[in-house]
Amino acid sequence: EIVLTQSPATLSLSPGERATLSCRASQSVSTYLAWYQQRPGQAPRLLIYDASNRATGIPARFSGSGSGTDFTLTISSLEAEDFALYYCQQRSDVYSFGQGTKLEIK
Amino acid sequence: EVQLVESGGGLVKPGGSLRLSCAASGFSFSPFAINWVRQAPGKGLEWVSSISRNSDYIYYADSVKGRFTISRDDAKNSVYLQMNILTAEDTAIYYCARVFPRIADRGSFDVWGQGTMVTVSS
Repeated sequence: EIVLTQSPATLSLSPGERATLSCRASQSVSTYLAWYQQRPGQAPRLLIYDASNRATGIPARFSGSGSGTDFTLTISSLEAEDFALYYCQQRSDVYSFGQGTKLEIK
Repeated sequence: EVQLVESGGGLVKPGGSLRLSCAASGFSFSPFAINWVRQAPGKGLEWVSSISRNSDYIYYADSVKGRFTISRDDAKNSVYLQMNILTAEDTAIYYCARVFPRIADRGSFDVWGQGTMVTVSS
């Protein structure tokens, strides 16, 4: 089973700042990694697939990078609606999710 | 509108059973793999089960293997999750999610339902 570890658990930033979220896999997942955003009371939404590809309708301020075991989700300039939970997910060995990073307003 | 709608959740006693449904609309259903993902109250996402197009490939998380069964009926544009021998640890919102891209057995989850709540309690 591939374990995904996200850091930090909570990230406190202000609107307009840059956010950097990390996801580390217990073994290589190549680029089979996705990022999801979940706002309170809502279902998750796909942001990034295959490590660096933005999903349809996702703003350009969201970007993903990495391969193998280390991945990053970057939000270049935070907007109010970006404060939410973020999960990474691998599809290299069936599926698993990271435990999540809460992005909160400072 | 592309949509997935879950139903069938509710309150069930420990040891009981429940069958969840996921109904698709707004897209051609049969080429897509579908997954179930759950989220316990205040917790993160946990992948539960996956079924490919044609039901060729079926996978389960270890936590539900032997107790849950996933199936699909393409004529009804639906996927089902039969859940048996339920315990309190199965209490969660259950989401169904579509795999992207089309015809892939595995991929990212690009369309999600709104979820259905399952509560296991005496």
